[in-house]
Order: sequence, then structure tokens, then C-alpha cells
Amino acid sequence: KQEVTQIPAALSVPEGENLVLNCSFTDSAIYNLQWFRQDPGKGLTSLLLIQSSQREQTSGRLNASLDKSSGRSTLYIAASQPGDSATYLCAAPNQAGTALIFGKGTTLSVSS
Amino acid sequence: NAGVTQTPKFQVLKTGQSMTLQCAQDMNHEYMSWYRQDPGMGLRLIHYSVGAGITDQGEVPNGYNVSRSTTEDFPLRLLSAAPSQTSVYFCASSPLTGGNQPQHFGDGTRLSIL
Repeated sequence: KQEVTQIPAALSVPEGENLVLNCSFTDSAIYNLQWFRQDPGKGLTSLLLIQSSQREQTSGRLNASLDKSSGRSTLYIAASQPGDSATYLCAAPNQAGTALIFGKGTTLSVSS
Repeated sequence: NAGVTQTPKFQVLKTGQSMTLQCAQDMNHEYMSWYRQDPGMGLRLIHYSVGAGITDQGEVPNGYNVSRSTTEDFPLRLLSAAPSQTSVYFCASSPLTGGNQPQHFGDGTRLSIL
């Protein structure tokens, strides 16, 4: 059964700092992994989806990596800004591919 | 460009009442699903559908019912509301089954059961 864990649960950094969010998963036979952003009181916005054939995916200041052999993914945020403050969730598909299994998220606070 | 639309945004119910949470998408996605999000539990799948007329249970289906008569709509019904169903409910859709494509989420329905 797929399980997804995210550490840390919360992170506070000053503006401009580079940071890494971690995600681990138990079933390495995944075909992709997805990172989402959730603002308070809002839904989830897809940030990046990494296919199993890829090792990295980039969008602007965001870079996500995937290492299936170690069961880990990281989301790197460069030059953080207060507008990056949100909860970041990673999700991996279950074995049947019928659902996403979510981590509990990392709540990021970037202070100006 | 509406995407995934959920209604209502907020609802308060009394124990035992029934209601339907609405979800509609305008992207012609085959796959639709319902999640609930609870503090400390993360998001958990309630029901999902891979196309009109096809539905299946997720991790926490008890107390909920779904149907998919059209590609666009995937309503979630609470048969007899219980305080344990107090949660934030999210509907999601994607072009293909499950995790092959990025999933698009609605803004959620915040439901309180008294």
C-alpha cells in the first residue's frame, strides 16, 4: 500500500532563501509524482508532475526531482518570496492508478 | 475558463440530514474524484469515476454515494449526515485514469455537521 510522507511539517524562512521540501513514498513502482500548492481556504493547484522516466522537472523558480530507487522526491524553491507562503503537498498514484495518495504537506512561511 | 466548479462553498447541516455536493468540470475529463481533507489526516479518496456510468469506491466511502450520468458532473451525496463527516471536500478531474495526468481541483466545499 502506497504511503507518502513529507518532512518537515512546517518551515519558516526569510525572503530570498533557497529551500528544499522533502517527500518520500513506500511503493517505488510509481509512474509519476505530483507536487501541489494549497493556499489557506483554497483548493489545490498543480505545480509540477514528474514522470517516472524523468529525474527533474522545472517551472520558473521551482525544481522537482524524483529518485524512484530511494523512494524520494524533493521540491526546490529558489529565491523564496512571501508569495510562496502556502502548504505544499506531494502525491503519488496508488498501485491501480485510480487515485492519488497524498502526504500531509509542508506549510511554508516566507517572511519579508 | 471555469475548470472544476464546486457548490456550495460552505454548508452547515444537522445530524441526520442529507445533501448533495455538486461538482462540474468543463474540460471533458474522463476521470473525476472526491476527496475529503481533515486536519492531521491529509486528503483521502472517497469515490472516483473513470467515465459516465462508471463509479468505484475509494479509501473512505462509507456514508457517501455518487453517480456519474454525464461526463461533466459528479455529485457526492451524504445520505444521513454525521458529525464525523465534518470536513473540507474537494472534487478533482483529469483527462485519464488516476495519476497519468495532472489533476485539477475545485476550491472545495466546507461542510459542518452539528
